[in-house]
Amino acid sequence: QQQVKQSPQSLIVQKGGISIINCAYENTAFDYFPWYQQFPGKGPALLIAIRPDVSEKKEGRFTISFNKSAKQFSLHIMDSQPGDSATYFCAASPLDSNYQLIWGAGTKLIIKP
Amino acid sequence: SQTIHQWPATLVQPVGSPLSLECTVEGTSNPNLYWYRQAAGRGLQLLFYSVGIGQISSEVPQNLSASRPQDRQFILSSKKLLLSDSGFYLCAWNGGNTEAFFGQGTRLTVV
Repeated sequence: QQQVKQSPQSLIVQKGGISIINCAYENTAFDYFPWYQQFPGKGPALLIAIRPDVSEKKEGRFTISFNKSAKQFSLHIMDSQPGDSATYFCAASPLDSNYQLIWGAGTKLIIKP
Repeated sequence: SQTIHQWPATLVQPVGSPLSLECTVEGTSNPNLYWYRQAAGRGLQLLFYSVGIGQISSEVPQNLSASRPQDRQFILSSKKLLLSDSGFYLCAWNGGNTEAFFGQGTRLTVV
């Protein structure tokens, strides 16, 4: 019940296309859902995050869509660029966890020029 | 501003040797501190977390241990490294605002 399931494991998208990565969870106590971006040899960095009181959050080309009833959330990257090539992690945090994050397995995204 | 330092960046150690990786945080007090391991092409495995000095929670039984001797210092250790300890080790912290900040990582190769 503590798991966050992320798919796909890897994704290849043409430059200018839309990249979509999905995550699903079981624990209804989760109340914070961030996405992290990791470049090779570097630590992950926060990209965008959402709380369950909204269904969508957009920051530039990056959008989180959140479906509370389905217990799913997804990251959409519009107009994908080669510089977006990285590994993306979704995560979730329960209210009472002292903000300890439960991580998805990651998606390796490659944007083809 | 807050920063996190993790060193060394790379390390090659023989099997059976000890390990000590250090992580320090600046610009904040009483942070939650975390050690993660990431195998090549894989996700983040939480190893240890600490909510205060001397308070360590272990997530995965293994050959490693962690200590927090000071508020903003977190150390990952091993008495005898195994080949399976190879990986990318990441230190992270967060405070009251939930965002986790990661160090640059240590690439450990046990030979």
